[in-house]
Amino acid sequence: IVLTQSPGLLSLSPGERATLSCRASESVGSISVAWYQHKPGQAPRLLIYGASNRATGIPDRFSGSGSGADFTLTITRLEPEDSAVYYCQQYGSSVAFGQGTKVEIK
Amino acid sequence: QLLESGGGLVQPGGSLKLSCAASGFSFKNFAMTWVRQAPGKGLEWVATINNSGGSTYFADSVKGRFTISRDNSKKTHYLQMNSLRIEDTAVYFCAKLGAAAFDVWGRGTLVTVSS
Repeated sequence: IVLTQSPGLLSLSPGERATLSCRASESVGSISVAWYQHKPGQAPRLLIYGASNRATGIPDRFSGSGSGADFTLTITRLEPEDSAVYYCQQYGSSVAFGQGTKVEIK
Repeated sequence: QLLESGGGLVQPGGSLKLSCAASGFSFKNFAMTWVRQAPGKGLEWVATINNSGGSTYFADSVKGRFTISRDNSKKTHYLQMNSLRIEDTAVYFCAKLGAAAFDVWGRGTLVTVSS
């Protein structure tokens, strides 16, 4: 399975909404889709699992949705610390990551 | 918490063994994984081992060259990397597999393959 994320770069102002897309090459089970935030020099951080469940400690500004082959991560009320690369991931017989979306806060 | 060690500089064709020490959770109950990030690139899954160590899974890019193992008594799992190539240069992260997602990650260890 190949995951394609769009856009590659999102440049937004604080307080705005970010919508990140992840499209799979075939239909996948929602339970197997996750989203991660990764900042340079840090460990990746799990944001969403099972397509729409927030991980422990993740603020409700982060939400996930989707089914089949199309999934979305939405970040509302952007804050400067949200600047990072965001990856979708699918876990099944193998594991696939999308190529990432870089979110820049102006 | 997860803490990787063992990274460093190695020549092409050489070997290196990475370790990942776990704390703060019941290590023996969870599958563990290695994920890497090459310079300027995204995350790439490398290998996964189930909780008992009886089943292992590898990305095609490392199959036949890397092995993954664990010692539940030491709460540690390992990535043995043989026949290393320049394209294996990356930061290697270990992670715990939770509910179909990697919910705990280490900060990574850098492996550089260069002559």
